[in-house]
Amino acid sequence: DTAVSQTPKYLVTQMGNDKSIKCEQNLGHDTMYWYKQDSKKFLKIMFSYNNKELIINETVPNRFSPKSPDKAHLNLHINSLELGDSAVYFCASSHRTGPYGGYTFGSGTRLTVV
Amino acid sequence: GENVGLHLPTLSVQEGDNSIINCAYSNSASDYFIWYKQESGKGPQFIIDIRSNMDKRQGQRVTVLLNKTVKHLSLQIAATQPGDSAVYFCAENTGNQFYFGTGTSLTVIP
Repeated sequence: DTAVSQTPKYLVTQMGNDKSIKCEQNLGHDTMYWYKQDSKKFLKIMFSYNNKELIINETVPNRFSPKSPDKAHLNLHINSLELGDSAVYFCASSHRTGPYGGYTFGSGTRLTVV
Repeated sequence: GENVGLHLPTLSVQEGDNSIINCAYSNSASDYFIWYKQESGKGPQFIIDIRSNMDKRQGQRVTVLLNKTVKHLSLQIAATQPGDSAVYFCAENTGNQFYFGTGTSLTVIP
């Protein structure tokens, strides 16, 4: 019973391709996030959605586009992939009503652009 | 063993010893803090939290200390075990958003 599940776990692709990463949570949370973790393990927020509405959009190239078909899903589509996009991408979810309890993270998608 | 956070991102301790991982946070308005543990190939996992109206909170083998005067947070792990080997992150909450610190990699030597 995975609370936050991401697919695929590994993704290797060539520069210039377009790819998507999917995320689903079964916790009944109403807020979902995408984080990028670089090679030094630094975690940086990219997007946050609350009940299908975008609430945080950090400085991210517009090649990255999140899509939330419903509050249990938040997918990440990346166009024209570049070498610098190689990282581990984490989906997370939380209750919107407050920060207490923090986020529940998925197990990550390791993206390698060659 | 004791780590001073950003300047020493790795910490090695003997199994059975106590570990101390430190974190300097940036925003004096932050009112809630969490320590996360990230094992290899997995996402960060909640360990323990503390609100800004407290200076100490204990869990099972873990204790978090908060010093708001110097904006410092620490995680103490008692009787460190091999399964504690992981990267540990502190996260501060400001305005309902979490900001993660640079992780500290803990290695437990059997």
